[in-house]
Amino acid sequence: GAVVSQHPSWVICKSGTSVKIECRSLDFQATTMFWYRQFPKQSLMLMATSNEGSKATYEQGVEKDKFLINHASLTLSTLTVTSAHPEDSSFYICSAKQGIDEQFFGPGTRLTVL
Amino acid sequence: QQQVKQSPQSLIVQKGGISIINCAYENTAFDYFPWYQQFPGKGPALLIAIRPDVSEKKEGRFTISFNKSAKQFSLHIMDSQPGDSATYFCAASNRQSGANNLFFGTGTRLTVIP
Repeated sequence: GAVVSQHPSWVICKSGTSVKIECRSLDFQATTMFWYRQFPKQSLMLMATSNEGSKATYEQGVEKDKFLINHASLTLSTLTVTSAHPEDSSFYICSAKQGIDEQFFGPGTRLTVL
Repeated sequence: QQQVKQSPQSLIVQKGGISIINCAYENTAFDYFPWYQQFPGKGPALLIAIRPDVSEKKEGRFTISFNKSAKQFSLHIMDSQPGDSATYFCAASNRQSGANNLFFGTGTRLTVIP
């Protein structure tokens, strides 16, 4: 299958700072990228969907000013958690797909906000 | 509202046994039903998927059984091994829709004991 990478794999930051997470499709062009959040022992919760060159579509209850998504190219999407607080600590996972094909998931980023 | 219901929440199976995980859905527009395997601290990986035009799909030790009329599908893991110990998520999507979002089940934590 196709490969999706995420960077960093884990990050620890102080409350009030902003954190950027990158998601890259390494061997295909992703027309759509998805960002998920996963709490311990829970399922994946879709946060937003982004298409290259257009604004992201956020799921209900997800603050777009808090979680900034930029899908600048067909291989890169970024999620910026602005003014992070301890309740934002979670496992963030991106996925990417081309057309109606499979979604391929990244390895995830563990965010811990102190 | 949970679009895809998954059971059991956890499952313990002896090595060599059969692991069975069940999912049910309501939206008849769903036309793609994948199963994902997730190890701790990793992103989900596609295990096997089925479309509603077939009732069963087998790949190695993994089989999906699909019952369109009952709106149910299940994952069978034959000859379960300790290395299969992971969390399994079923999902469903409408690939013809513009968003093509995946709706995940709540997950099943499988433990295979030697």
